[in-house]
Amino acid sequence: EDQVTQSPEALRLQEGESSSLNCSYTVSGLRGLFWYRQDPGKGPEFLFTLYSAGEEKEKERLKATLTKKESFLHITAPKPEDSATYLCAVQAGSARQLTFGSGTQLTVLP
Amino acid sequence: GAVVSQHPSRVICKSGTSVKIECRSLDFQATTMFWYRQFPKQSLMLMATSNEGSKATYEQGVEKDKFLINHASLTLSTLTVTSAHPEDSSFYICSARDNYEQYFGPGTRLTVT
Repeated sequence: EDQVTQSPEALRLQEGESSSLNCSYTVSGLRGLFWYRQDPGKGPEFLFTLYSAGEEKEKERLKATLTKKESFLHITAPKPEDSATYLCAVQAGSARQLTFGSGTQLTVLP
Repeated sequence: GAVVSQHPSRVICKSGTSVKIECRSLDFQATTMFWYRQFPKQSLMLMATSNEGSKATYEQGVEKDKFLINHASLTLSTLTVTSAHPEDSSFYICSARDNYEQYFGPGTRLTVT
């Protein structure tokens, strides 16, 4: 059974304090690892898809990396508007659906 | 990026009534749409996978007669919660795939009184 574990559950940072969120996965035949941002009361907003180990993608202050066991979402010099829940999901094998982790709730204090 | 809309964004209904939620892919055709439900401070739980023109595939534990899904076209899927009860109160989110990525709607907050 595919498993996705995110850590930490919650993270509080001061504005400008860089950090990383972790997503560990156990799947048979990874086809893609997805990162989403979710604000309270809204649907997830697509951030990145990573397909193979060693791949990296960047968008503004966010950078996602992928190894054979885990993915990191690095946040450089975060701002209060980066506060949200960050969700990691995997697509594996022949499945069309995604399996989600439980998310990391990020709070960036001014 | 691709846009997925949901309607309504919020609905309050009385116990025993039925509620329909619409999900539309606005600028792309989606052969597959997904319905999720999310409880407070929890992650998304897949309810069912909906394929255009065929019956939906429900996840284990999801009652197909209670949560009716129709995927009538490549841009529209509907979820009907039949005979709703307070325990059905939740945040329902749809999602649609194009050939590459999966995009989510803004969600529908259902409250059953």
